[in-house]
Amino acid sequence: LAKTTQPISMDSYEGQEVNITCSHNNIATNDYITWYQQFPSQGPRFIIQGYKTKVTNEVASLFIPADRKSSTLSLPRVSLSDTAVYYCLVGVGSSYKLIFGSGTRLLVRP
Amino acid sequence: DAGVIQSPRHEVTEMGQEVTLRCKPISGHNSLFWYRQTMMRGLELLIYFNNNVPIDDSGMPEDRFSAKMPNASFSTLKIQPSEPRDSAVYFCASSYTSYNEQFFGPGTRLTVL
Repeated sequence: LAKTTQPISMDSYEGQEVNITCSHNNIATNDYITWYQQFPSQGPRFIIQGYKTKVTNEVASLFIPADRKSSTLSLPRVSLSDTAVYYCLVGVGSSYKLIFGSGTRLLVRP
Repeated sequence: DAGVIQSPRHEVTEMGQEVTLRCKPISGHNSLFWYRQTMMRGLELLIYFNNNVPIDDSGMPEDRFSAKMPNASFSTLKIQPSEPRDSAVYFCASSYTSYNEQFFGPGTRLTVL
C-alpha cells in the first residue's frame, strides 16, 4: 500500500533553519504536494504547496526533486512558536487517494 | 468568513449510541473532507465530497460510519452504533477544489465509553 514517510521528530534551536523531508514514492502524476502545521488541540493549517522544483512563500520553502518521490519543507530561522507537528499530504496511485504523512514533531529550543 | 464550523466540539457518549457530527464548510468551497485523528493511526481521510457528491469513501472504517452532504453548506458524519475504538478527534475540512489548500475546522473530540 502506498504510504508517505516522515521522521518522527526533530529538535532545533531558535534562529536555525529546519528541513523536514517526506518520502512519497507512489505519488499520483498530477498531484500537488502540500504541507500542513498542527498545534495541540487545533486543526492542521496550510503552510505551502508545490508541484515540482521549488516554491517559496513568506513562511517556508518547498523543494521537490525531478522524480517527485520526496519533498523537503524548509523553515528558515525557526522560533519557539514553530514548535508543532508538520505533515505532508499527497495524492497517491491512479485512484488518487489522499494520504497524510505520519507527521514530524518539531521542537524548537531557546 | 467564519471558517469551517464543526459541532459539537466535544461529545461523550456510551457504547451503542448513535453519534452525529456536523460540519459547515466555507462558503464557495466545492470540496469537503472528513478526517479522523488518533495517536495510533495519525490523520486518516475518511471520505471526501466534490460538489456534494462522495468521491472517495474508502477510508470509512465500516458500515457503522456514514456521511452525507445534502447541500453545499452542510455535511454530517454519523456513527451508529458507536464503539470505544471510535474515540478520536474528527476534523472536517473544505477547499475550493480537492487539489487546493484545505481549511480545517476546530475538530470534534469524541469519547465513547
